Amino acid sequence: EVQLVESGGGLVQPGGSLRLSCVASGFTFSNHWMSWVRQAPGKGLEWVANIKEDGSEKYYVDSVKGRFTISRDNAKNSLYLQMNSLRAEDTAVYYCARDVRGGTVVIVHYFDYWGRGSLVAVSS
Amino acid sequence: SYEVIQPPSVSVSPGQTASITCSGDKLGDKYACWYQQKPGQSPVLVIYQDSKRPSGIPERFSGSNSGNTATLTISGTQAMDEADYYCQTWDSNTVVFGGGTKLTVL
Repeated sequence: EVQLVESGGGLVQPGGSLRLSCVASGFTFSNHWMSWVRQAPGKGLEWVANIKEDGSEKYYVDSVKGRFTISRDNAKNSLYLQMNSLRAEDTAVYYCARDVRGGTVVIVHYFDYWGRGSLVAVSS
Repeated sequence: SYEVIQPPSVSVSPGQTASITCSGDKLGDKYACWYQQKPGQSPVLVIYQDSKRPSGIPERFSGSNSGNTATLTISGTQAMDEADYYCQTWDSNTVVFGGGTKLTVL
C-alpha cells in the first residue's frame, strides 16, 4: 500500500524557517518525481515544487522561488521542503504527492497519491 | 503563465448529470485530470489523461477535453459526490490547478 506521511509543520513567525519532511512507503521511491502542493485555509490547491527521480531537476512556483528548496534522499525514501523567509501568505496545509509523468510530444501529468498534509501557520 | 478557469459552484439534483468545466487556451492540446476533495480530506484523483478512470473510481465519473475546455461529467450524481473538484494540467514544467468547483447535490 502506497503511503506518504508528512511531518514538520507548525507555527512560525514571519521571516522564520521550517523544514517539512515526507516519508514514502509501498513503492520504489527513487522511480518517481515527487511534488509539494499546498492549500491555504478555505482556498484551492496550489502546486509548490517538484523534483526529478534523481534530484537533478527541480521546479518551483514563482511565489516561492529563492525562498523554498525541495530535496530528496532516496536512501531514506524521503522528500523535503526547506522553507525560508516565510510569509503570512505561506500559511497552508502542505501535501506531499507522487507525480505520474509520461509522454514526449504531449506531456501526461497527474498526482496519483497524496499524503494527509502538514499544517504550516505563519503568524506573529 | 498558463491558467485554467473553473466555475466556483455547480448544483445538481440527485440522480441527474453534473458537468464541471475547466477552460484554458488550447487546453485540448494538453492533457487534463480531475481531483475530488471532501472537507478535511486529501484530494483523490478521479480522472486522468482527459478521460481515464483510476481503479476504484465509479463509472459514473467521466471526462473529456477538446478545444479550450475540459469537462468532468458525473452521471447519476449521488449525495456522496458532493465535494470540491479541481482540474489540473501541465505547462512548461509547471503544474497548473484550476481554482476549484464546489459541487452541491440538492
